[in-house]
Amino acid sequence: AQRVTQPEKLLSVFKGAPVELKCNYSYSGSPELFWYVQYSRQRLQLLLRHISRESIKGFTADLNKGETSFHLKKPFAQEEDSAMYYCALSNSGNTGKLIFGQGTTLQVKP
Amino acid sequence: NAGVMQNPRHLVRRRGQEARLRCSPMKGHSHVYWYRQLPEEGLKFMVYLQKENIIDESGMPKERFSAEFPKEGPSILRIQQVVRGDSAAYFCASSPPGTQAQYFGPGTRLTVT
Repeated sequence: AQRVTQPEKLLSVFKGAPVELKCNYSYSGSPELFWYVQYSRQRLQLLLRHISRESIKGFTADLNKGETSFHLKKPFAQEEDSAMYYCALSNSGNTGKLIFGQGTTLQVKP
Repeated sequence: NAGVMQNPRHLVRRRGQEARLRCSPMKGHSHVYWYRQLPEEGLKFMVYLQKENIIDESGMPKERFSAEFPKEGPSILRIQQVVRGDSAAYFCASSPPGTQAQYFGPGTRLTVT
């Protein structure tokens, strides 16, 4: 079955500390993985996708097929990073629907 | 580009009434997806449409729910005879052809009283 698991509902760190939001997936084919972010009172927006291998707002994520993980990392958290983060998987090649994890609230304290 | 538009943003319906949720995709996007987020849960896929075609409705409840994306006008998600369990946030996303990246609207929060 296709599934995305984000084990942490809430992650609280101090400003300047490293951040890692965990994401594990279960998928039999070649998935495409995404991270979406939702800041307070804003719509869900795409943060990054694994095929782009890019860094957005200092965040990176590497697809580890052996561990079926796509953890989101940032070396130094900023207060403006506080938001809800969703990991999502797309069944690329089929209909492209996204399968979302439960989401992790990142709280960056001053 | 105005982004994906959804209206209304908030909708209150009594049990047994009908709810109509509208989604206007971004300019140039021909693919529309609907997702539902129940309280304390992640977003769940409902249906994927292209103009005048339902491509994948595997996430749609079998009864009372329907969706369309006509040649002209917005995509509509229709819920007939709403029940309390339909209370949720409904999100629409659109994407252009040839990409998996989806762009989300602000959502419609449906409350059934």
